[in-house]
Amino acid sequence: EDQVTQSPEALRLQEGESSSLNCSYTVSGLRGLFWYRQDPGKGPEFLFTLYSAGEEKEKERLKATLTKKESFLHITAPKPEDSATYLCAVQVRGSTLGRLYFGRGTQLTVWP
Amino acid sequence: KAGVTQTPRYLIKTRGQQVTLSCSPISGHRSVSWYQQTPGQGLQFLFEYFSETQRNKGNFPGRFSGRQFSNSRSEMNVSTLELGDSALYLCASSRQGDTEAFFGQGTRLTVV
Repeated sequence: EDQVTQSPEALRLQEGESSSLNCSYTVSGLRGLFWYRQDPGKGPEFLFTLYSAGEEKEKERLKATLTKKESFLHITAPKPEDSATYLCAVQVRGSTLGRLYFGRGTQLTVWP
Repeated sequence: KAGVTQTPRYLIKTRGQQVTLSCSPISGHRSVSWYQQTPGQGLQFLFEYFSETQRNKGNFPGRFSGRQFSNSRSEMNVSTLELGDSALYLCASSRQGDTEAFFGQGTRLTVV
């Protein structure tokens, strides 16, 4: 069964304290891995797509990496505005972009 | 360009009633997917429509149904509402060959 697991469930960081979020996946074949950010009461906002092991993508204080079994979202020197739930999702090989498997997310809180 | 639009944003319904939610995708996007998000289960895939045809279906009871119109707008219907149907319902759209799916703000359904 295709499965996506995120850890930790919740993370509290002080402003400037760097850390990483983990997304491990067990799928029949990976077509793509996606990171989204979701603010309370809003829809997920796209951050990154990764396709192959070793690939890295960066955007401001965020960097996403991918291995054959997991992905990491590294947050460098976070600010309070980075507080949100970060969701990881996978597209299974042979399936469409419209059918994603999501993890339950990591709720990140950055305090001043 | 305009994003994915979901209406209404909030709904309160009584157990046993039925409800219809609407989603207008980004212009040019022919794939529309629906997800249910709850605190306990996270984001779960309901179904995907492409060119007015259901292309994928998740593991939800037959009370959950959907359709897509020729202009790619989609509706989902839930009949005989149960308390457990209370959730944020999210719609996502994508275009063939794209590398990301875009989400709407969601419809918050409360069943009392």
